Amino acid sequence: AQTVTQSQPEMSVQEAETVTLSCTYDTSESNYYLFWYKQPPSRQMILVIRQEAYKQQNATENRFSVNFQKAAKSFSLKISDSQLGDTAMYFCAFMKHSQGAQKLVFGQGTRLTINP
Amino acid sequence: KAGVTQTPRYLIKTRGQQVTLSCSPISGHRSVSWYQQTPGQGLQFLFEYFSETQRNKGNFPGRFSGRQFSNSRSEMNVSTLELGDSALYLCASSAWDRGEYGYTFGSGTRLTVV
Repeated sequence: AQTVTQSQPEMSVQEAETVTLSCTYDTSESNYYLFWYKQPPSRQMILVIRQEAYKQQNATENRFSVNFQKAAKSFSLKISDSQLGDTAMYFCAFMKHSQGAQKLVFGQGTRLTINP
Repeated sequence: KAGVTQTPRYLIKTRGQQVTLSCSPISGHRSVSWYQQTPGQGLQFLFEYFSETQRNKGNFPGRFSGRQFSNSRSEMNVSTLELGDSALYLCASSAWDRGEYGYTFGSGTRLTVV
């Protein structure tokens, strides 16, 4: 079974700083997807960024980028020029590539606070 | 396009009662999954439906059940509610069958069992 570990329960940075959230996972699969989701107080899980395991290039979405190290099974999220609106719970998630049933396996989350 | 819609947003039930939660996926999405979120256990997979068939089920008791209709809308039912069922229930839809791997979530239903 796959497991996802987020070792930082809470983090706090000043506005405009850069912050990196850590995520490691364990799997025997060779083809899979990794995700970072953001959950603000409004509760809705919002997809931040997605990485396909077969792609060596790290995914980037505006201020958000990942450092995907497949051999080390590490998938960290970097937020540049952090903004107050980035304050939220961040979840790392794993999904194996399959034509059949799909499910996400989530980490325990990191609570990120951006201070003014 | 409209997102994933979950109703109701909040629900308070008494132990022993049953509850039905509803989820309308993004138009064109045929896969609907349900997750339970609690402070202690985090996010746990309940089940996934695709084209009205349950394709995958998490490790939950039989009191938790669901179904999917021909228009892809899904309902989740919990019978004989227990205090421990208090949680945020999230629904997510996907078009993985079209090669779009990723899930879009709704805002959830906050269930409180008293």
